[in-house]
Amino acid sequence: NAGVTQTPKFQVLKTGQSMTLQCAQDMNHEYMSWYRQDPGMGLRLIHYSVGAGITDQGEVPNGYNVSRSTTEDFPLRLLSAAPSQTSVYFCASTSTGPSGNTIYFGEGSWLTVV
Amino acid sequence: AQSVTQPDIHITVSEGASLELRCNYSYGATPYLFWYVQSPGQGLQLLLKYFSGDTLVQGIKGFEAEFKRSQSSFNLRKPSVHWSDAAEYFCAVGARAAGNKLTFGGGTRVLVKP
Repeated sequence: NAGVTQTPKFQVLKTGQSMTLQCAQDMNHEYMSWYRQDPGMGLRLIHYSVGAGITDQGEVPNGYNVSRSTTEDFPLRLLSAAPSQTSVYFCASTSTGPSGNTIYFGEGSWLTVV
Repeated sequence: AQSVTQPDIHITVSEGASLELRCNYSYGATPYLFWYVQSPGQGLQLLLKYFSGDTLVQGIKGFEAEFKRSQSSFNLRKPSVHWSDAAEYFCAVGARAAGNKLTFGGGTRVLVKP
């Protein structure tokens, strides 16, 4: 996937631990977002940003924080991990233009909370 | 609120046969519509998108989709499937004014028989 880099790819956490999922894009896109993917539910929006310094909540924001200090980076923080946060997390970056929006996804981060 | 329904959780098709994946959406205005494909353990790849104009949209890998406003549908088709088309397919709807906020369907897993 062009230009959206997520780390780590795999992570196991204990309940109550905190961690940060990193996301970076080199396409100078203003829009970035975080989704989680759970079986049978598709992807659900956690948080999104429309530019540096601006973030907002998506459909399932509880237990997660984000910040957007630069255009390139959009980290997702789990404050106190819970088993319900076991999921696959995708970062996305959106280009806008005359032909509409194109959303690029990262490779995903597989998180297990035990 | 917008929503997306993919009625078929699993579809099995023989190699060389045609494929049609159903997608129904609920949205108050003219939506942006997308189809993504995900291979096991991988991220999401954009197959095609609809913003405006011709309601029959051509995508990559020989896929096409037709937007039918009267039926609130955006079904994905391929005339002849290949074994490499085995994957999970997601339909998504987005608001025109929100560049990165997508609502996804639950996905349809496609199995290809030799």
